[in-house]
Order: sequence, then C-alpha cells, then structure tokens
Amino acid sequence: TQLLEQSPQFLSIQEGENLTVYCNSSSVFSSLQWYRQEPGEGPVLLVTVVTGGEVKKLKRLTFQFGDARKDSSLHITAAQPGDTGLYLCAGPRDSGSRLTFGEGTQLTVNP
Amino acid sequence: DAGITQSPRHKVTETGTPVTLRCHQTENHRYMYWYRQDPGHGLRLIHYSYGVKDTDKGEVSDGYSVSRSKTEDFLLTLESATSSQTSVYFCAIRSMNTEAFFGQGTRLTVV
Repeated sequence: TQLLEQSPQFLSIQEGENLTVYCNSSSVFSSLQWYRQEPGEGPVLLVTVVTGGEVKKLKRLTFQFGDARKDSSLHITAAQPGDTGLYLCAGPRDSGSRLTFGEGTQLTVNP
Repeated sequence: DAGITQSPRHKVTETGTPVTLRCHQTENHRYMYWYRQDPGHGLRLIHYSYGVKDTDKGEVSDGYSVSRSKTEDFLLTLESATSSQTSVYFCAIRSMNTEAFFGQGTRLTVV
C-alpha cells in the first residue's frame, strides 16, 4: 500500500486544457514536494509546500497543500506540450530522514 | 547540476551474478538514497544512508545491500541478481528537509 496515493495515474489532454492531479494520504506530513520527471532523467523538484492551506504558483502551475496536511494538488492552466512528463509527489518520513514518493501521474499534452 | 553521478548508466547481467551500482556526490550531502522505478510504482526506496557507515532499509530492501565508507560514495549491491530486479535505479542526495537531487539513473536488465 502506497503511503501517498496519486490520481489519476495517466492523463492525456489537448494543448490549452486545464488539469488537476492529486496526491492523498491518510498520514499527516510536515511538508510535501512535487517533482517532474522527463524520460531518461531523474526527477527534478518543482515546489515544496509546508503550511496547511498553502498555495504556491509557478507560472501556469498552482500547488495547494491541504488544511490538514494530508493531501496536495497540482493544477495546470492552459497546458502545453512541454508540460508532458511524470509528476510525482513526495513527503518526508521518520523525522525527515526518508523521502517517500507516490506512484506518479503520467501527463501527456497533445499539440 | 547537483554534482551526483551514477555508474554504470546501463548494464545487462545474467541471473545469479553479483552486481554493484555506484553513486558518487560532490555536494557533501548527509543523506543518500537508492530507489528503483518500475511502471505503476513510482519511486520505491531500497536503502538509504544518513552518514558514513550508517544505513537503513527502505520499503523494498530484500535482495539488496548497501555500503557507505565515504561521504561521497554510496554503493548498491545485488548479491545474486534476479529477473525481478530488472529496473531503473536512481540515486538521490539530500540534506535534512530539503529537496532531493537525483542522478540520471542506471538501467539494469537481468536476463
């Protein structure tokens, strides 16, 4: 059983559409991170959310941390083909020494 | 680049043979991690290290061992490779409660 559940697992949309992906847990996290991974590369950090209810924006990407710090969402406005990739959420465990990942959402944005 | 390199990048080995993957960092980060990535499973933690000669198991540690004799090197060993260990292996480095930086991965095929 994954500690962090991501949905949907796959998402294929047309350029210009909006989308939201989710990261949920039954556990409380001190923070959550979102990473993006392109084929043949390692994941790269997009954002870290720390405070319950926090909203962070990175250009067309909006990240939200749930009030109870058990869930997070990533919203992309007007998706572009360059947004294609695997989006992973991650959270610290064991006083921060481990970093556990969700299964990821594979996003494909078609031109 | 975060100063983390993995070697080899690709390897094909036979069932039952030992295999060692190397992760080298130039950033002096305390934490080092080995993950495997398989379709539908995201990144799963194999082992991690929180200092020289200090290591601990992750969620999928069976069949793997690690060693960290120097701050900069973290070795992952498959004592007797099996086909179920065919995967892409990622090393990551991190300081406490900060982002993780990943290597480019090692694609291991066990035939």
